[in-house]
Amino acid sequence: GNSVTQMEGPVTLSEEAFLTINCTYTATGYPSLFWYVQYPGEGLQLLLKATKADDKGSNKGFEATYRKETTSFHLEKGSVQVSDSAVYFCALSDKAAGTALIFGKGTTLSVSS
Amino acid sequence: DSGVTQTPKHLITATGQRVTLRCSPRSGDLSVYWYQQSLDQGLQFLIQYYNGEERAKGNILERFSAQQFPDLHSELNLSSLELGDSALYFCASSGYRGGDGYTFGSGTRLTVV
Repeated sequence: GNSVTQMEGPVTLSEEAFLTINCTYTATGYPSLFWYVQYPGEGLQLLLKATKADDKGSNKGFEATYRKETTSFHLEKGSVQVSDSAVYFCALSDKAAGTALIFGKGTTLSVSS
Repeated sequence: DSGVTQTPKHLITATGQRVTLRCSPRSGDLSVYWYQQSLDQGLQFLIQYYNGEERAKGNILERFSAQQFPDLHSELNLSSLELGDSALYFCASSGYRGGDGYTFGSGTRLTVV
């Protein structure tokens, strides 16, 4: 079946540091891939997405590239800010099967000034 | 405001009781999804409705049920509550098949005492 594996957190960084959060997936079809962010006390917000291999999703300085050969969708940001502190979830959707989003367990990011 | 409205925001109830959580999807979205978020299990997909019909089931207990009404709002019913049912319950909505991702509500925090 389909699944998503994220690196375990927490990830603790200083402001302006480089961020990578690893995400790999297992899928039988050709999924769409997503990163969601959850700020404290809030629901999940879509951060970026990619719908096919080699697509790069980007938003608010965050980027992730859909790598079919390595089944990965790692999240990166060149310079994090304190306001980026949140929980980040990688997710996949098997469009052909119309199945619900499957999420990784989430990675907590804490950025200090 | 994401456009997905969940009520109530907080709920405290005793073991053995029954509660109903309500969700109004974003305008124009026909699909509604329910997720349970707990510290140990992460985000677990419970059930999906599309235009009033059940479309997919995930890890939903038999004590739980849901429905989607003609006006597209959805209700999640949790009965014979146990301490382990304490969690955040999120509703999300999307267009057909959800290939562009979901829009999440801010969740209902259920505490069973």
